[in-house]
Amino acid sequence: ILNVEQSPQSLHVQEGDSTNFTCSFPSSNFYALHWYRWETAKSPEALFVMTLNGDEKKKGRISATLNTKEGYSYLYIKGSQPEDSATYLCARPENGANNLFFGTGTRLTVIP
Amino acid sequence: NAGVTQTPKFQVLKTGQSMTLQCAQDMNHNSMYWYRQDPGMGLRLIYYSASEGTTDKGEVPNGYNVSRLNKREFSLRLESAAPSQTSVYFCASRTGRAGSNEQFFGPGTRLTVL
Repeated sequence: ILNVEQSPQSLHVQEGDSTNFTCSFPSSNFYALHWYRWETAKSPEALFVMTLNGDEKKKGRISATLNTKEGYSYLYIKGSQPEDSATYLCARPENGANNLFFGTGTRLTVIP
Repeated sequence: NAGVTQTPKFQVLKTGQSMTLQCAQDMNHNSMYWYRQDPGMGLRLIYYSASEGTTDKGEVPNGYNVSRLNKREFSLRLESAAPSQTSVYFCASRTGRAGSNEQFFGPGTRLTVL
């Protein structure tokens, strides 16, 4: 079992504010790091899959960075909008194996 | 494409009853997964199937069985339901075997065991 931790557990920001949160994971035998966005009453949807140390990926106002040596990834949201309200999950597979270990998520609420 | 579909969406069982949760994907994915989601626990893997004909235990397999019926379908069975199995169950699929491929999730099944 891999221990994947996310912080903070929840976050409230005003519309227009930028924000970021953290995913920490064991750095040994690293293979990939996944980020998923999970809206209430829907199913999780993939945002990014990152594999290389120093990777930076971007999708619209959302971006993520990866540090495999120290075992963390940051997710950034620029100019938060109410539609960004969701739980953001990160996950790491064990080696190159199939199974993902998920963190408990960061629940973001953007206040209009 | 429908993606990943799950049935039923909701189910209430009494302790000791059995049921099967159905999952199907139409994306020709090799790997399929069953997770449960509980408050404060995140998503935990119950069982997975890396390819047709194979299944493996995940983090929390006790009390469950699975069948990979064909490439499209992966079912989860509760033989004798317990209140501890009250949860939201998600099925997911992924192309290939590598951990670098994203997973696609179904809409979930909300199960309550009384």
